[in-house]
This record gives sequence, C-alpha cells and structure tokens, in this order.
Amino acid sequence: GAVVSQHPSRVICKSGTSVKIECRSLDFQATTMFWYRQFPKQSLMLMATSNEGSKATYEQGVEKDKFLINHASLTLSTLTVTSAHPEDSSFYICSAVGAGGHNEKLFFGSGTQLSVL
Amino acid sequence: GENVEQHPSTLSVQEGDSAVIKCTYSDSASNYFPWYKQELGKRPQLIIDIRSNVGEKKDQRIAVTLNKTAKHFSLHITETQPEDSAVYFCAASLGGGANNLFFGTGTRLTVIP
Repeated sequence: GAVVSQHPSRVICKSGTSVKIECRSLDFQATTMFWYRQFPKQSLMLMATSNEGSKATYEQGVEKDKFLINHASLTLSTLTVTSAHPEDSSFYICSAVGAGGHNEKLFFGSGTQLSVL
Repeated sequence: GENVEQHPSTLSVQEGDSAVIKCTYSDSASNYFPWYKQELGKRPQLIIDIRSNVGEKKDQRIAVTLNKTAKHFSLHITETQPEDSAVYFCAASLGGGANNLFFGTGTRLTVIP
C-alpha cells in the first residue's frame, strides 16, 4: 500500500517556541492531506484539510494563525505549531489521499507526539 | 454534515470468540465506509472498507456489513487473537472516497488470552 511518512515522531519543546511537523507521501502524489489531533483514548479530531497549491481549510475552532499549514508540493505538507503552550501537547497525525489509483484510500502518517513544557 | 456514532466504546472478549462493533451514520448520501485499526501510539491502518453498492465484504477473519436502509454498518472479527487488541475506528464518507471522512469515536477492543 501507499506510504505516508511523518516526522518527527516525538518532540519536546519549551513553551513559546514553534514546532514544525512534516508529512510526506513517499510513493504517490497526494493532492489532499489532512491534519488531525488525537487526545489519549479519544478519536481523531480533524484540524484542517490541506490542498496542494492553495490555502488550507480549517475546521471550526482551530486557530489558523496558531496551526500553520503549508502544502507546497504534491508530496509534502507541513504543520507548524506556533508559540506552543502546554495545552498544545497532543498526538498529531497526518493523512493523505492520492491522485490516480490511490485517490479512494486514506493513508496515515505515524504520528507526532508533541510535549510542550 | 455527517454524524457517525460508534458502539461500544470498549469491548473485551475471550480469545477465539467473535467481536462486533457497530456504527451508525446520519447522511443517507454517504457511500464509502472504511474501518481503521490503531495500536497504541501508532498510525491508524485501514483494515477493510465497503461501498454502498455492496452489503457485505469479508477478508479472512474480518467482515463488514452495511445496512443502507437503517444507516448502520458493523465490523465483525471472528476467532479473535490477542494481536487484535487495539482501537478500531469506523468512518463514513459522502464523496465515495477518502476525501471527506467523518470518524466514529473509536472502540477499544481487548482480547483476553
């Protein structure tokens, strides 16, 4: 199946700093990528939909200025958590939907555990 | 938009028994229903999916059934094994693919050896 790579897998940062998370589709072109946040023992909460070459679409309640999303190419989307605070600590997961033969399936990255001290 | 409900939230079964997880959806236009398995701290993995033109699909020990009239679909795992222990998420999509998925709240399945 298709592979989605997400880095870093774990990051610990000080309050007030910014953290960038990368999501790459390794063997297919992803016209659309999604970013989720997952709290312990809870479901996936969609944060935003990222379309290549255009602005991301954010879900209600998600601060676009705090969670910056860039989808500059068909294989890479980045999520930057700006001025991170302890309440931003969470598990962030990306997923990708491909063009062509992969466009009907959703493939997930391995997730990033963010801890803000 | 679509609203997906999933039950139960936790499920414990003895090894070898069957497990059933049920989901309901609200929008009758939804036409793609995948199931994901997520082990602790890992990515969700697609385990099986079904489209609205099919009533049942089976892959070895895993099967999914869809009742369009009642707007519910279920995951069936037979002959459960300890490695089946994980959180399972259902989802529904209005677009026929994965572009517009709405996830259920998850079911934590524990298979007791």
